[in-house]
Amino acid sequence: EPEVTQTPSHQVTQMGQEVILRCVPISNHLYFYWYRQILGQKVEFLVSFYNNEISEKSEIFDDQFSVERPDGSNFTLKIRSTKLEDSAMYFCASSDDAGTAYGYTFGSGTRLTVV
Amino acid sequence: SQQGEEDPQALSIQEGENATMNCSYKTSINNLQWYRQNSGRGLVHLILIRSNEREKHSGRLRVTLDTSKKSSSLLITASRAADTASYFCATDGSDYKLSFGAGTTVTVRA
Repeated sequence: EPEVTQTPSHQVTQMGQEVILRCVPISNHLYFYWYRQILGQKVEFLVSFYNNEISEKSEIFDDQFSVERPDGSNFTLKIRSTKLEDSAMYFCASSDDAGTAYGYTFGSGTRLTVV
Repeated sequence: SQQGEEDPQALSIQEGENATMNCSYKTSINNLQWYRQNSGRGLVHLILIRSNEREKHSGRLRVTLDTSKKSSSLLITASRAADTASYFCATDGSDYKLSFGAGTTVTVRA
C-alpha cells in the first residue's frame, strides 16, 4: 500500500537553528499538508499546499515557517529559527481529492526536539 | 471552532468486548474522519463518513453520524489487543483542513 514517508524520524536541534523536515507524499496525490502534535496535546493543522502554492495556513504557521516542493516528489517544512515551543511531532499528509472521499494519508512523523 | 471532542478520554476493555467512543463538534462539516494512533507513531486513517451519510461500516468498525446533534460515534466490535491505541475524530469543513479532537485512549486487556 502506498505510504507517505517522512525523514528524519527524530531530530534534535539547538534553539535558534534552522531545521528542514522532509516528506515524500504518495506519488499521484496533489494536496499536501503539515500538521503537528505537541506532546499530550491535539493534532494541529499547520498548512496545506496545492498546485505549488499554499492554499491555507493556520496562525501557528508564522514567518518562521515555510514549505516547499523542490522537485516532483519531496515536500519540505522549514523552521527558520527554532524555539523551545516548536518541539513536537510533525506529520506530513497527502490526499488525491483534498480528503473529501478517502481521507488523508499521514506519514509516521518527525519528532522534533529543540534544546 | 469546529474541533471534534471525544468522549470518554480513556477506555479499558477486555479482549472480545466492544468499544464505543463518541465525538462532538461545533460547526457544519463536509465529512468526519476517524484516525488511530499507536503510541508515538503516525496517524492511520480508519474511516470517513460524509455529512449526508448516517452510518458506515468497515470490517469491525461502525461509524454513525448525527448532523442534527453534531455528533459521531465509533464502535469497534470484538476488540483485540492490537486495537490498543488512541482514536481521534477529525472534522473536515469547507476549508479542507482537519480539526482534531483530543482523542480517546483505548486499552484492550488480554
